[in-house]
Amino acid sequence: DVKVTQSSRYLVKRTGEKVFLECVQDMDHENMFWYRQDPGLGLRLIYFSYDVKMKEKGDIPEGYSVSREKKERFSLILESASTNQTSMYLCASSSLGQGRTPHEQYFGPGTRLTVT
Amino acid sequence: TQLLEQSPQFLSIQEGENLTVYCNSSSVFSSLQWYRQEPGEGPVLLVTVVTGGEVKKLKRLTFQFGDARKDSSLHITAAQPGDTGLYLCAGGRDYKLSFGAGTTVTVRA
Repeated sequence: DVKVTQSSRYLVKRTGEKVFLECVQDMDHENMFWYRQDPGLGLRLIYFSYDVKMKEKGDIPEGYSVSREKKERFSLILESASTNQTSMYLCASSSLGQGRTPHEQYFGPGTRLTVT
Repeated sequence: TQLLEQSPQFLSIQEGENLTVYCNSSSVFSSLQWYRQEPGEGPVLLVTVVTGGEVKKLKRLTFQFGDARKDSSLHITAAQPGDTGLYLCAGGRDYKLSFGAGTTVTVRA
């Protein structure tokens, strides 16, 4: 049974704190993604990685950074949390697509982060 | 600005009724994926369509990809309470997916 796990389901942090969100997949997937999900806005891509130590900015990378030291693990870092980063954060992984067509993405259960 | 527009945003129907969810864009995609998300969980893939005009059926769910590969629809026949959830369409291009805002479907028993 394929699995993407996220370190926390719920997290409450204070403004200005450094926050680490961890994601681990057991499917040997090359690609990993971090999204945030907000009501009425759907999923927005923050960063993605197509290989170890490789990363690319998504649509909303400001205020975030990522780290991928091992193939199975992809971390999202909020350098200095702000209240507008309160959201649901979803991690996903996928195998390499054919050509430029993305493959199915497998999602973790999400981390609901509240910044006060 | 949302690349993919989904409509309606909310849909509440009685068990046994049919429903259709639409996903529209001005952009062309190499593929279109539909996901369903239940409360407290991540989205789960229902189907991928890649060819313009393609129609795929998954039991009571029918998915269609527009001829120009810019739009798609999801039709559910004889909806059941188990179909309740957030339905998301996602357009594939350049190794990435762009998601619509989603349609929240509630099927009342």
